[in-house]
Amino acid sequence: GAGVSQSPSNKVTEKGKDVELRCDPISGHTALYWYRQSLGQGLEFLIYFQGNSAPDKSGLPSDRFSAERTGGSVSTLTIQRTQQEDSAVYLCASSLAAGRSGNTIYFGEGSWLTVV
Amino acid sequence: EDKVVQSPLSLVVHEGDTVTLNCSYEVTNFRSLLWYKQEKKAPTFLFMLTSSGIEKKSGRLSSILDKKELFSILNITATQTGDSAIYLCAVPNQAGTALIFGKGTTLSVSS
Repeated sequence: GAGVSQSPSNKVTEKGKDVELRCDPISGHTALYWYRQSLGQGLEFLIYFQGNSAPDKSGLPSDRFSAERTGGSVSTLTIQRTQQEDSAVYLCASSLAAGRSGNTIYFGEGSWLTVV
Repeated sequence: EDKVVQSPLSLVVHEGDTVTLNCSYEVTNFRSLLWYKQEKKAPTFLFMLTSSGIEKKSGRLSSILDKKELFSILNITATQTGDSAIYLCAVPNQAGTALIFGKGTTLSVSS
């Protein structure tokens, strides 16, 4: 597509429920990232996918968080047993390839998660 | 540990003022430094800097990198209310697998 697409744009869930957030990257982009941004904070790296390589999960804050990327395109971020501190904007981004200085990362509009 | 520190955290100016936003970084195996503007949700790309002393310019915005002193500045001249946003600075981590972001500078431009 023309840009990185995320859904839902807003999600309110009860504490303890599971949520799934979806990201559809820019067509042809092999690198996909998930970030989290809490109110007043910078972007916190969660996970990175590059092609068929094993993902870099080093940023996931707990084992309640997981992500998949099927077919090298769409990704789903799953948060199990949500807690109030999970409330944040979850931003997905994609790029042609990771890390190389010539590739710009493009962000989606984000999914605003509120856990009540 | 790779890190990015931005200052000030927030700034309030009047239309027409010139502002300078600061970003200092510590990263192993520096590749580049990026500036983003975040108005609502999605950060939008402004500049990528890889070489010291070469100014990147886009309209009223400009940025420069100092790799010796490990910092970058973002200048905005003749500010407008539409410049109100969070300005984020980021560098790729050592592995080159993700961007490490600063907390951002929240700029408010009043008319």
